Amino acid sequence: SAVISQKPSRDICQRGTSLTIQCQVDSQVTMMFWYRQQPGQSLTLIATANQGSEATYESGFVIDKFPISRPNLTFSTLTVSNMSPEDSSIYLCSVEVGTYTEAFFGQGTRLTVV
Amino acid sequence: GIQVEQSPPDPILQEGANSTLRCNFSDSVNNLQWFHQNPWGQLINLFYIPSGTKQNGRLSATTVATERYSLLYISSSQTTDSGVYFCAVLGGKLIFGQGTELSVKP
Repeated sequence: SAVISQKPSRDICQRGTSLTIQCQVDSQVTMMFWYRQQPGQSLTLIATANQGSEATYESGFVIDKFPISRPNLTFSTLTVSNMSPEDSSIYLCSVEVGTYTEAFFGQGTRLTVV
Repeated sequence: GIQVEQSPPDPILQEGANSTLRCNFSDSVNNLQWFHQNPWGQLINLFYIPSGTKQNGRLSATTVATERYSLLYISSSQTTDSGVYFCAVLGGKLIFGQGTELSVKP
């Protein structure tokens, strides 16, 4: 299994500002994943973060809006830039571990943009 | 891409009742997981179950990979079982169903 510490757990931000979310894993992992969950919706993959290379973004998500850092094998950050109320969501980081790639998630960051 | 569909839509139970949640998927998958999302948004791993049957206390799950569905059984439901249940399949990337919001009333 994996233990993922994600922070902040929640925040209320002004529109036009940026928020950086941090994820720390208790073991080294090759890939980390960032998801967005809009109110009342399911989870959508934003991007996959590999250490030592640029993140791979899913359709509809761009680096300028959601820059990601992956400085080592246990840590990653996601920044939500130039926020608008439409960015109000839960953001979650995830890793997949083990031979059978079981996914584990951080506690989530509940973001409200006002 | 793979489609994942969950049912029933948002069941409401009385405490002590049993419930079965279903997850259908449209193609062969390497992995299937069930999660429970608590009121604070955290996803709790319930089962990793690409095939077969597993049990953990009052919860059990069965996946029939050849028929592309999985079932999550909740027996003797409690109010703390309330929340959103997601199944997710790994077909290249992890793909989530739309979720089932279970409400257990005292």
